[in-house]
Amino acid sequence: AQSVTQLGSHVSVSEGALVLLRCNYSSSVPPYLFWYVQYPNQGLQLLLKYTTGATLVKGINGFEAEFKKSETSFHLTKPSAHMSDAAEYFCAVSGGGKLIFGQGTELSVKP
Amino acid sequence: EAGVAQSPRYKIIEKRQSVAFWCNPISGHATLYWYQQILGQGPKLLIQFQNNGVVDDSQLPKDRFSAERLKGVDSTLKIQPAKLEDSAVYLCASSLDPGQGAYEQYFGPGTRLTVT
Repeated sequence: AQSVTQLGSHVSVSEGALVLLRCNYSSSVPPYLFWYVQYPNQGLQLLLKYTTGATLVKGINGFEAEFKKSETSFHLTKPSAHMSDAAEYFCAVSGGGKLIFGQGTELSVKP
Repeated sequence: EAGVAQSPRYKIIEKRQSVAFWCNPISGHATLYWYQQILGQGPKLLIQFQNNGVVDDSQLPKDRFSAERLKGVDSTLKIQPAKLEDSAVYLCASSLDPGQGAYEQYFGPGTRLTVT
């Protein structure tokens, strides 16, 4: 069975500070991993994905994530937070096509 | 390219009533998913269609929930009768064939259901 754990349901950073959202996964097969962002009253938008190949993946809006098999982690980072980054972020692992999501991390950005 | 369309966006019903949600996936996407997102939680898969066949409905409460995807395009999710715990956002997503390595899913805006 596959599962995802996101550490920290709420993260608050100052504008311009580093964003780090943590995600650990469990999978019995090589995982496909995803980060999605959800703005209020909207659906989920794909930020980035890891399938195979390079373990550092770059996504939209300046976000990136690194797949670390030894740590079973796929943490999301952004060097400098912007007010528009305030949203809910979900890490997910793919199993047979369906996505298994973590609980989500709400990111707040302070001016 | 048009995205995934869902309607209605919001729905308020009383418990024991019935409700239906509609989804139109991205053109050419063979796979369609319905997820339930309860407040404060991540989305949970209810049912997955490949064309008009069901691939996975193991998490669908079949005593009250039903879904169909006629002609392999649009889909409808129905709840009858609704319970208070069904209050959630219902998200529809579509993708190309995961069996061909296309795992990226595209989500619609969701339908927010409130059961009173």
